[in-house]
Amino acid sequence: QLQLQESGPGLVKPSETLSLTCTVSGGSISSSSYYWGWIRQPPGKGLEWIGSIYYSGSTYYNPSLKSRVTISVDTSKNQFSLKLSSVTAADTAVYYCASIYVVVTAIPFDYWGQGTLVTVSS
Amino acid sequence: DIQMTQSPSSLSASVGDRVTITCRASQSISSYLNWYQQKPGKAPKLLIYAASSLQSGVPSRFSGSGSGTDFTLTISSLQPEDFATYYCQQSYSSWAFTFGPGTKVDIK
Repeated sequence: QLQLQESGPGLVKPSETLSLTCTVSGGSISSSSYYWGWIRQPPGKGLEWIGSIYYSGSTYYNPSLKSRVTISVDTSKNQFSLKLSSVTAADTAVYYCASIYVVVTAIPFDYWGQGTLVTVSS
Repeated sequence: DIQMTQSPSSLSASVGDRVTITCRASQSISSYLNWYQQKPGKAPKLLIYAASSLQSGVPSRFSGSGSGTDFTLTISSLQPEDFATYYCQQSYSSWAFTFGPGTKVDIK
């Protein structure tokens, strides 16, 4: 069973870049069965998909965040990463990484990390 | 963008009750609909995928139905561990996933 773990700073200053890494264990990030994704949840609010990546480097981003988001993959470390630039207080959220099971038609997010709270504040 | 709505936004129920949550898409999404359960301070957990397929390990009291624009999640007999927030999510729009706003189920 896959396990995912987010890591990175819990506090980021406004206008700077948020950087998080997700480490995958229990399986290979190079599996053809999975894409890998980032989702966030502002305190007390709902879920927002940020973007997704395949092991080959193919990416998809939420149009509302596309200009500020970069997702990358490091297959040698079994990790994928998120960078979100020019952050504001509105980017304060719990950030989750998740696996996306592409074998079934509805491509669900089937395994999730525990989440990490990132606060944007000076 | 495909917008997702859920009703009700919250409900109060008792242990043993049958609970139904509705999710509606702004356009037809066939069966590209997943359901998640989230407890406070925890990550969401996949319950149902492709509208009606039960994720491995999820109790059979959970079921999903629907296609097109209207979907339901049913809990046949609510258990104490089922008090949580439930989200639907569409995956029809090619790699532009969206979630519903959530339905909070709490104890009556």
